[in-house]
Amino acid sequence: DTAVSQTPKYLVTQMGNDKSIKCEQNLGHDTMYWYKQDSKKFLKIMFSYNNKELIINETVPNRFSPKSPDKAHLNLHINSLELGDSAVYFCASSQTDRGVAPLHFGNGTRLTVT
Amino acid sequence: QKEVEQNSGPLSVPEGAIASLNCTYSDRGSQSFFWYRQYSGKSPELIMFIYSNGDKEDGRFTAQLNKASQYVSLLIRDSQPSDSATYLCAVTGYNKLIFGAGTRLAVHP
Repeated sequence: DTAVSQTPKYLVTQMGNDKSIKCEQNLGHDTMYWYKQDSKKFLKIMFSYNNKELIINETVPNRFSPKSPDKAHLNLHINSLELGDSAVYFCASSQTDRGVAPLHFGNGTRLTVT
Repeated sequence: QKEVEQNSGPLSVPEGAIASLNCTYSDRGSQSFFWYRQYSGKSPELIMFIYSNGDKEDGRFTAQLNKASQYVSLLIRDSQPSDSATYLCAVTGYNKLIFGAGTRLAVHP
């Protein structure tokens, strides 16, 4: 069984549209994250949630809104998409927050905004 | 100064050689250090983590940590073409994991 699964794998859309990416983990972890990896492969944290509570919001534009209905799910909704949003978005989970436990990554969602 | 710095590479080594990947970090309070491998088009996968000064070995991989010098490295012995990937160093800081930009390793036959 996939430990951290995210959908869709690919997302191609036009500027101005609204889209969502879903993420689920079956590892029983308390903490979930969204990371963005740009074209230079730099992996940067966007959000983290611990037991459905927002822990980290890294100065991400408010067009990005994470939602955690329960600790096994963390979805990412993006409004008014821009060209610069094109990237690979990774969901991840870990046993605890504060960055002391290893992250388990989903397979990524490649978002292309045209 | 970047929080976690790595040489972007590519680091090219012949098959069977030792590949040495280096990483420096800025936060002296960092407690946990991780190495991830990322193949092109794939997600990062954990190779090793280290918490204490010194060496930690796991198969062909050895992680080395020197907190005084704020330096962590990954050695890959008997490098194989299948080791060709980008290696990401990650360090705890401010309640989160901070990644370096990665070093691309190319192992040639």
